[in-house]
Amino acid sequence: AQSVTQPDIHITVSEGASLELRCNYSYGATPYLFWYVQSPGQGLQLLLKYFSGDTLVQGIKGFEAEFKRSQSSFNLRKPSVHWSDAAEYFCAVGGRDNDMRFGAGTRLTVKP
Amino acid sequence: AAGVIQSPRHLIKEKRETATLKCYPIPRHDTVYWYQQGPGQDPQFLISFYEKMQSDKGSIPDRFSAQQFSDYHSELNMSSLELGDSALYFCASSPEGTGSNTEAFFGQGTRLTVV
Repeated sequence: AQSVTQPDIHITVSEGASLELRCNYSYGATPYLFWYVQSPGQGLQLLLKYFSGDTLVQGIKGFEAEFKRSQSSFNLRKPSVHWSDAAEYFCAVGGRDNDMRFGAGTRLTVKP
Repeated sequence: AAGVIQSPRHLIKEKRETATLKCYPIPRHDTVYWYQQGPGQDPQFLISFYEKMQSDKGSIPDRFSAQQFSDYHSELNMSSLELGDSALYFCASSPEGTGSNTEAFFGQGTRLTVV
């Protein structure tokens, strides 16, 4: 069964600093990987996704993620964080015939 | 652009009551997913439908049932509500068949509070 682990429950970074959110997955076949962002009381917005091809994927709002099969990871990065990036971030994994399973989420706090 | 519509946005029910949550997918999306997100929790997959048939089942309690109608909207029926059912319920839709090999678009969610 597929599963996702986000090791960091809460991360605090200063505005303008770089960001990396970790995601490790477990899946028996080629995974489909997603990062979603959720602002308080809001729905889930897709930041980016990986299905195949180039292992470095670009998303919205300046985010990118790199798929590393050898490490079963799909870490989310942003070179310079903005205060508006403060939110909850969810990594999710799925497959061709499976529905998505989410990680526990990482809450990002941005210091002025 | 049209998005996934969920109604109601907020719902307050008493224990042992029944609730019905509705989801209207994006036009031409034939797959609908339901997720439950408890306070401070990650979304947990409940159930999904493709072309009006149940396609996958997650951690959905027996007290809950769901269906997808001919117009592709879906309803989640919850009976004998318990305090622990208080959560944000998300619906998502995706086009062109089953599975998450396509992008799932999420609605804003229905916040259910059981008192």
